[in-house]
Amino acid sequence: AQSVTQPDIHITVSEGASLELRCNYSYGATPYLFWYVQSPGQGLQLLLKYFSGDTLVQGIKGFEAEFKRSQSSFNLRKPSVHWSDAAEYFCAVGAANYGQNFVFGPGTRLSVLP
Amino acid sequence: DSGVTQTPKHLITATGQRVTLRCSPRSGDLSVYWYQQSLDQGLQFLIQYYNGEERAKGNILERFSAQQFPDLHSELNLSSLELGDSALYFCASGSGSGAGDQPQHFGDGTRLSIL
Repeated sequence: AQSVTQPDIHITVSEGASLELRCNYSYGATPYLFWYVQSPGQGLQLLLKYFSGDTLVQGIKGFEAEFKRSQSSFNLRKPSVHWSDAAEYFCAVGAANYGQNFVFGPGTRLSVLP
Repeated sequence: DSGVTQTPKHLITATGQRVTLRCSPRSGDLSVYWYQQSLDQGLQFLIQYYNGEERAKGNILERFSAQQFPDLHSELNLSSLELGDSALYFCASGSGSGAGDQPQHFGDGTRLSIL
């Protein structure tokens, strides 16, 4: 079964600084990988996803993520953080035709200092 | 806007009661997924329906049940409510086939508070 770890529970960065949120997964085959963002009191919004092909994936709001099979990682990056990026970020891993095996990581809370 | 609609946004009720949460999937999506989000458990998969049929079951209690109707909207029924059922309940939708069998579009959730 799949599993996802997000090693950082809470990260604080200054506005304008670069950001990298870590995600490691465990899965025996090629996974489908996702990043979601959840603002307080809101639902989850899909930032980007990786199914196959180019390992560098561009998403919405200026985010990108890179799939590294050798490291079983799918880290999320943004070159310059805005105060509005403060939220909870979830990495998730899925598998073809198995919706029940879609597993979320525990989340990383991002705080942004002015 | 994800296109997934959940009602109501908030529910406050008492222990022992029964409630129904409703979800309308994004237009064109055939699959509906239900998740429970709590501080101690994180995001837990409850159940998935595809085109009216149950497809997968996760950590769903026997006191909980769900169904998907011909118009593809889904309802999650929670009965004999306990304090520990207080949580945010999310519905998500997806195409339901192949690589699309993933909960890609989430609603804003129903916050259930048990007093």
